[in-house]
Amino acid sequence: DAGVTQSPTHLIKTRGQQVTLRCSPISGHKSVSWYQQVLGQGPQFIFQYYEKEERGRGNFPDRFSARQFPNYSSELNVNALLLGDSALYLCASSRGRGTDTQYFGPGTRLTVL
Amino acid sequence: AQKITQTQPGMFVQEKEAVTLDCTYDTSDQSYGLFWYKQPSSGEMIFLIYQGSYDEQNATEGRYSLNFQKARKSANLVISASQLGDSAMYFCAMSLKADRGSTLGRLYFGRGTQLTVWP
Repeated sequence: DAGVTQSPTHLIKTRGQQVTLRCSPISGHKSVSWYQQVLGQGPQFIFQYYEKEERGRGNFPDRFSARQFPNYSSELNVNALLLGDSALYLCASSRGRGTDTQYFGPGTRLTVL
Repeated sequence: AQKITQTQPGMFVQEKEAVTLDCTYDTSDQSYGLFWYKQPSSGEMIFLIYQGSYDEQNATEGRYSLNFQKARKSANLVISASQLGDSAMYFCAMSLKADRGSTLGRLYFGRGTQLTVWP
């Protein structure tokens, strides 16, 4: 079975621009979560979606938004990019229950110049 | 508040030897899960092993075992017979389970331990 897929792999943007990152979960998984990992740190939770509804949001500004589609794929949008948004963005999928294992995609590496 | 602490920024181990990576956690919840992930330089986070808070036996997955000491709130990862391919960053993480089955799948991560396996 295919794992979690993310696109694009790498992205370079300039300050003030907007970016959309995409994620397709493992078949049969209904929950998608997004994490931001800056260099030298562990991933930080941004959003969780389950059955197309937002189930959790981390401590990120409103410039960050996300949605989940009927096929359970997801998009993460970041507006008005800042230099500090440069990071590896990881998407994870799970069946959805609280302590279900989350399986991660390869990530999208975003560089903001 | 939930917190994961990994006190070892870096660890070195010789090939074929065993190594223990430390992890302590802090939560007032009774129902939670503990995870270990491996992150090679490519960036992908690879799931290794899971331990539920009510599991009485320590989890094992091949060469990986989790030394779970609930009273001490520790969940150390033991890698037996280290291989060169084990060189990577290792993250300990925790998730909580809300009452009545509602989903709280957020993972709380530690800062990670960089493991280097030498020949």
